[in-house]
Amino acid sequence: DAGVIQSPRHEVTEMGQEVTLRCKPISGHDYLFWYRQTMMRGLELLIYFNNNVPIDDSGMPEDRFSAKMPNASFSTLKIQPSEPRDSAVYFCASSFEGTKQYFGPGTRLTVT
Amino acid sequence: AQKVTQAQTEISVVEKEDVTLDCVYETRDTTYYLFWYKQPPSGELVFLIRRNSFDEQNEISGRYSWNFQKSTSSFNFTITASQVVDSAVYFCALTVSYSGAGSYQLTFGKGTKLSVIP
Repeated sequence: DAGVIQSPRHEVTEMGQEVTLRCKPISGHDYLFWYRQTMMRGLELLIYFNNNVPIDDSGMPEDRFSAKMPNASFSTLKIQPSEPRDSAVYFCASSFEGTKQYFGPGTRLTVT
Repeated sequence: AQKVTQAQTEISVVEKEDVTLDCVYETRDTTYYLFWYKQPPSGELVFLIRRNSFDEQNEISGRYSWNFQKSTSSFNFTITASQVVDSAVYFCALTVSYSGAGSYQLTFGKGTKLSVIP
């Protein structure tokens, strides 16, 4: 079975532009998580969904960030407008019943 | 709130040495899960082990072993006869399980960077 798929793997954009990160979870998994990894803050949870419904978005840094999960096989994380401090690696993870999370390869975002 | 502390920021060992990575956690919940993940230089996060709070048995998987001690809130990871391919950042993580609501947020430690020198 395919693992968690993320696209793009690398994204370079200019400040002020809109960025959309995509994630396809493992088929059959009912939880989806978005994490951000930076040198300063380490790995931090941004938001997670259960059965396509957002459960906790308290980790989303500010209103510029939004996430959607229109169906069980697709989720997006959007940053609008992007800022240099958003530069990080963004991971998507999925799990069945919540505990064991499988991570995607990550999207390395650079905002100049 | 949950907290995971990995006091060792970086460790260097010579190949074939044993190395132990420390992990101390804090939680008020009685039901929780502990994890170790490996992040090699390529960047992906690789699941290594999950342990629930009711199972304090130590576990061994090849050269890897884990020592879970609730009395000291520790979940340490030992690599025996280290190899260059073990060079990576290792993360300890914790999640709690609320009955019914299912809160499964992973709280990660800051990670320990292990360098195995040939």
